[in-house]
Amino acid sequence: GAGVSQSPSNKVTEKGKDVELRCDPISGHTALYWYRQSLGQGLEFLIYFQGNSAPDKSGLPSDRFSAERTGGSVSTLTIQRTQQEDSAVYLCASSSTNTIYFGEGSWLTVV
Amino acid sequence: GENVEQHPSTLSVQEGDSAVIKCTYSDSASNYFPWYKQELGKRPQLIIDIRSNVGEKKDQRIAVTLNKTAKHFSLHITETQPEDSAVYFCAQRTPGGYQKVTFGIGTKLQVIP
Repeated sequence: GAGVSQSPSNKVTEKGKDVELRCDPISGHTALYWYRQSLGQGLEFLIYFQGNSAPDKSGLPSDRFSAERTGGSVSTLTIQRTQQEDSAVYLCASSSTNTIYFGEGSWLTVV
Repeated sequence: GENVEQHPSTLSVQEGDSAVIKCTYSDSASNYFPWYKQELGKRPQLIIDIRSNVGEKKDQRIAVTLNKTAKHFSLHITETQPEDSAVYFCAQRTPGGYQKVTFGIGTKLQVIP
């Protein structure tokens, strides 16, 4: 595709359930980021993948959060045992050299 | 370090006036400084960027200035219009193979008609 694609666009889940959010970056982009944005708040860095380097996981808020990137392309962010405070928009972004391109985001609501 | 501080967090200006948002970074090796605009309910999008070998860059009503000595860079919007109302994020990138980009906390700009 022409841009960063994220799915699902909206997800409502019950507290305690696991969720998986998918990001398909722009083809050829070696860098991939995950951010969390709560309503009216800034971009909270979660995790960064760059090529074959070990990912920077310093932003993951707890061990319930994990992410992987298979084959240097598609990435999946997994949230286990979801809590209400996990409700937010999860933004994925990718870049090749300078410009970061964001996806539309996955809106997660935990009820 | 990778930190970038952004202020103000909110800014209200009258239509037609200028708006200035400032960011300060800590890593003197940082070499790339983009600005992103996020309209309500939409994704952040790049509006202008500057590299460390340039002191100023303009694109119509927006400009970015960089002071490497003081390690700060600013976004200037002139003749503001209601459609400029959005959240603006500054960012900085450190060089090298890892090249991670770090964002500021954002500035909510409101242009009052």
